[in-house]
Amino acid sequence: DIQMTQSPSTLSASVGDSVTITCRASRSISGWLAWYQQKPGKAPKVLIYEASTLETGVPSRFSGSGSGTEFTLTISGLQPDDLATYYCQQYSSYFSTFGQGTKLEIK
Amino acid sequence: QITLQESGPTLVKPTQTLTLTCTVSGVSLSTSGVAVGWIRQPPGKALEWLAIIYWSDDKRYSPSLKDRLTIVKDTSKNQVVLMMTNVDPVDTATYYCANNPIKCDRSGCYIAPGYFDYWGQGALVTVSS
Repeated sequence: DIQMTQSPSTLSASVGDSVTITCRASRSISGWLAWYQQKPGKAPKVLIYEASTLETGVPSRFSGSGSGTEFTLTISGLQPDDLATYYCQQYSSYFSTFGQGTKLEIK
Repeated sequence: QITLQESGPTLVKPTQTLTLTCTVSGVSLSTSGVAVGWIRQPPGKALEWLAIIYWSDDKRYSPSLKDRLTIVKDTSKNQVVLMMTNVDPVDTATYYCANNPIKCDRSGCYIAPGYFDYWGQGALVTVSS
């Protein structure tokens, strides 16, 4: 199995800040990684796929980078609406796995 | 626009079999390049990938649950069904179905796990006696 480890588990930042969330894979997944945003009580929403491709309709303040085993999601110019938990997902192997999530709190 | 809707019991007793249905609109499950997966999320915990079924009827399962899961599709109803046997209270979760976009080119469409672009609203299932 490919394990996905996100850091930090919780992140607190102010409106306007830039924040970065990291996701590490237990072995190389090339660029087969997606990032999701999940707001309380809602289904996840895909933000980024193939590590750096922005899903249609997602604001450009969200960006993704990385390849192999280390990936980052950056949110520039944090907005109050960005309060959510963020998950990475690898889809390189025979089956897929998610990270444990990063909860983003707005100060 | 693709929409998905989960349905099934809200309460299941331990050792019983859980059957969940995902009704898909906006795309036909028999169309080449269509795949639907199931993901679950215990209360307050992370997402867990469970299974996926492709237009070709190929299937993939989470290794940790594959002995308990069966995924099938009914193309006449455009539904995907997930069955989980011998449920336990640890299976209490919100169960989501979601559309997995598939890469296709002149050679055909590629069967491989992918990300999920459209999700159902989720169905909360509690396992308790």
